[in-house]
Amino acid sequence: QKEVEQDPGPLSVPEGAIVSLNCTYSNSAFQYFMWYRQYSRKGPELLMYTYSSGNKEDGRFTAQVDKSSKYISLFIRDSQPSDSATYLCAMSAWLPDTGRRALTFGSGTRLQVQP
Amino acid sequence: NAGVTQTPKFRVLKTGQSMTLLCAQDMNHEYMYWYRQDPGMGLRLIHYSVGEGTTAKGEVPDGYNVSRLKKQNFLLGLESAAPSQTSVYFCASRPSGQLIEQYFGPGTRLTVT
Repeated sequence: QKEVEQDPGPLSVPEGAIVSLNCTYSNSAFQYFMWYRQYSRKGPELLMYTYSSGNKEDGRFTAQVDKSSKYISLFIRDSQPSDSATYLCAMSAWLPDTGRRALTFGSGTRLQVQP
Repeated sequence: NAGVTQTPKFRVLKTGQSMTLLCAQDMNHEYMYWYRQDPGMGLRLIHYSVGEGTTAKGEVPDGYNVSRLKKQNFLLGLESAAPSQTSVYFCASRPSGQLIEQYFGPGTRLTVT
């Protein structure tokens, strides 16, 4: 079983729709929860992150973390064709054995927003 | 600033051939990373470096070697390419004082036949 599970999609929605993207995870040591956006043939770029449980809002984007359920979500309001991309969740945990912070990525959900 | 750049953008290799992928960053970042991205697998860490002259293994290091002779460059080598190394390779960097955001390059698409 993968540490981080993410539905690959594709998810197709009409412009203006509310989009919900989700990841589940199994490692309770994860502390930081991130969402990266990756346009086709480009590298990922950080969209937003949260520490521990709770919500964080940034414009049309809201990130939500529920550590008790090991479930994170990204909501996009008033979706635009320019939001069409693959969205990767990522989670970070400290590895005391190696003295480094490990980052584990989901496999990504492809989103298409139709004009 | 160019950010993180990768050379080459595309490459096709035959099994057993060798090659080096170059990553360069102009942001004076201490940490640099090499990932591979495969369908359904997400990004997986191959090797990383916490500073000039240092390297360490990530999750999937077998078949790869790296070097960080200069702070701005991080090289990924494949000594004897195998079809299982067909992938998209991404380089990333971040400053030491920042835990979260990694800055990614545009990727190198490698096909091994």
